Amino acid sequence: QSVLTQPPSVSAAPGQKVTISCSGTTSNIGYNYVSWYVQLPGTAPKLLIYDNNKRPSGIPDQFSGSKSGTSATLAITGLQTGDEADYYCGSWDSGLSAYVFGTGTKVTVL
Amino acid sequence: QVQLVQSGAEVKKPGASVKVSCKTSGYTFSSYSIHWVRQAPGQRLEWMGWINAGNGNIQYSQNFQGRVTITRDTFASTAYMDLSSLRSEDTAVYYCARGVPLDPWGQGTLVTVSS
Repeated sequence: QSVLTQPPSVSAAPGQKVTISCSGTTSNIGYNYVSWYVQLPGTAPKLLIYDNNKRPSGIPDQFSGSKSGTSATLAITGLQTGDEADYYCGSWDSGLSAYVFGTGTKVTVL
Repeated sequence: QVQLVQSGAEVKKPGASVKVSCKTSGYTFSSYSIHWVRQAPGQRLEWMGWINAGNGNIQYSQNFQGRVTITRDTFASTAYMDLSSLRSEDTAVYYCARGVPLDPWGQGTLVTVSS
């Protein structure tokens, strides 16, 4: 089953910005919406961004999403220690008729 | 508020089956799909399949075809995931989640497969 490709880790100092890329294909990201999920250690994933760039109620605007072609990007500005977590992108794959996740990116605040 | 509450942790022997439940509340059960996702220790999220809680249509991931069965009880607003022929590699936390995008998620159910 195809997966979406993310960098294994990104890091930055407090207050700085990080971006996480998510690379897919025409059958998933290129054709369908992208969502982003955050997973704090020992907890269930939580929706962070949906429909490429929309934030659910309660998610601060330090998190933003974008999509171009078959890739998507999550940006986190004003990095805080509480943002240390694993981040996953996800999208429906129309060719597989399956939901596919990214490989996951660990964000570390230096 | 919308909640998905899963059944408790399970320990199973290789070759056995496990059934995990996902009880929903706070919304109209039949209006959304329920998806099942698993995460092996230290690994990424892996989608297993989904059920349309309204009409009962089901789609399974090719990776689990033939071993996984997803059902629902509309009267109980509960979805179920049954995984058979368990092996040690099936040790993981199993999650249910509502709709696409997947939101919200259940708290997870740890299934340990060990002889």
